[in-house]
Amino acid sequence: RKEVEQDPGPFNVPEGATVAFNCTYSNSASQSFFWYRQDCRKEPKLLMSVYSSGNEDGRFTAQLNRASQYISLLIRDSKLSDSATYLCVVTLYSGAGSYQLTFGKGTKLSVIP
Amino acid sequence: DVKVTQSSRYLVKRTGEKVFLECVQDMDHENMFWYRQDPGLGLRLIYFSYDVKMKEKGDIPEGYSVSREKKERFSLILESASTNQTSMYLCASSRREGLNEQFFGPGTRLTVL
Repeated sequence: RKEVEQDPGPFNVPEGATVAFNCTYSNSASQSFFWYRQDCRKEPKLLMSVYSSGNEDGRFTAQLNRASQYISLLIRDSKLSDSATYLCVVTLYSGAGSYQLTFGKGTKLSVIP
Repeated sequence: DVKVTQSSRYLVKRTGEKVFLECVQDMDHENMFWYRQDPGLGLRLIYFSYDVKMKEKGDIPEGYSVSREKKERFSLILESASTNQTSMYLCASSRREGLNEQFFGPGTRLTVL
């Protein structure tokens, strides 16, 4: 079973739509959770952390369900500039005070005018 | 503004050549990472380092080595490049404590002929 699984998409949605991405992880010892965004031909950048209680940042809402080992990202009122690949990331303690990040393969979003 | 720089954006080498990829960060981060990113496979961790002169194997270390002689610099070495090492190579750094957000460099697109 893959460590972090995401639907690769692509998700093609019109401007203004609401879109949701899901992610599952296999290691129950995973400690922290993030969504990264990667634009075409660019490096990944942190979009938001995911907290157990759920958290919101403007049009973006992230949720975590530890019991089901499931993470989600909801984007409301999609903009053209939201077009990117969204990477689900989980961390695991790797010893010596350090953490390893495991990346999902990403979900590609295209917002269409 | 935090910054991770990589020595080259594009590199073309021949099979059997020794290849050095350099990464420098100016954020005084303890942790540094090397990934490769391939279509359909996502980001895969090659090696990471949590301190000067320390290194740990990631998921795919075969065919690679690393060097961390100074805190700000982490080098990836391909002792004898092969065509299956053609890829996008991404360097990242993070603090040892806290959020563990990883900051990525712009990437090096390596082609081995």
